[in-house]
Amino acid sequence: EAQVTQNPRYLITVTGKKLTVTCSQNMNHEYMSWYRQDPGLGLRQIYYSMNVEVTDKGDVPEGYKVSRKEKRNFPLILESPSPNQTSLYFCASSPNRIGGLLAGEGTGELFFGEGSRLTVL
Amino acid sequence: ILNVEQSPQSLHVQEGDSTNFTCSFPSSNFYALHWYRWETAKSPEALFVMTLNGDEKKKGRISATLNTKEGYSYLYIKGSQPEDSATYLCALDSNYQLIWGAGTKLIIKP
Repeated sequence: EAQVTQNPRYLITVTGKKLTVTCSQNMNHEYMSWYRQDPGLGLRQIYYSMNVEVTDKGDVPEGYKVSRKEKRNFPLILESPSPNQTSLYFCASSPNRIGGLLAGEGTGELFFGEGSRLTVL
Repeated sequence: ILNVEQSPQSLHVQEGDSTNFTCSFPSSNFYALHWYRWETAKSPEALFVMTLNGDEKKKGRISATLNTKEGYSYLYIKGSQPEDSATYLCALDSNYQLIWGAGTKLIIKP
């Protein structure tokens, strides 16, 4: 089954304790992205990746790191989590590059993981 | 800074009634407009990706139209059913990223 898998789905942690949220897709998609969703706001992009070893900052990258060593995996790393990083996080992938001028053959839909609800105390 | 607005923020509709809501966006730098459906405790799922002015897409009882010159898209649901209850998100694909609206939360009353 084609899917995007995130882990963990739920996590409560404390300030400063490093954590990683994993994301894996089995659809051979080039494009992957991390979003956070907070009440009353639209999804905000944290980081995205056009392909292996290519990552770029989104709108809210502060306090986060990512890596894209293999096509299928795109982990999100919080080196020193803080309470303002309490949020619902979504990983997403697409067969086409998202982004107008870069999309080339066309803009594809995003496939989302089920979300990871993170609470930082 | 590009901004995508969705209205209304929430909407209660009687089962069987039809409804529609709006996504407004700046008409410059337009490449595509996405609509997603997000049910509680699930992940957002794509409904439509629209690129052409005047485009109209349909999936079952749900359809969408696009006006890139004036910068808006409408999503229509015909004969609402309880399973249509969800948050509907639109996103503007502009240059290097998707810019998301805050969503319209639709609640269908039986």
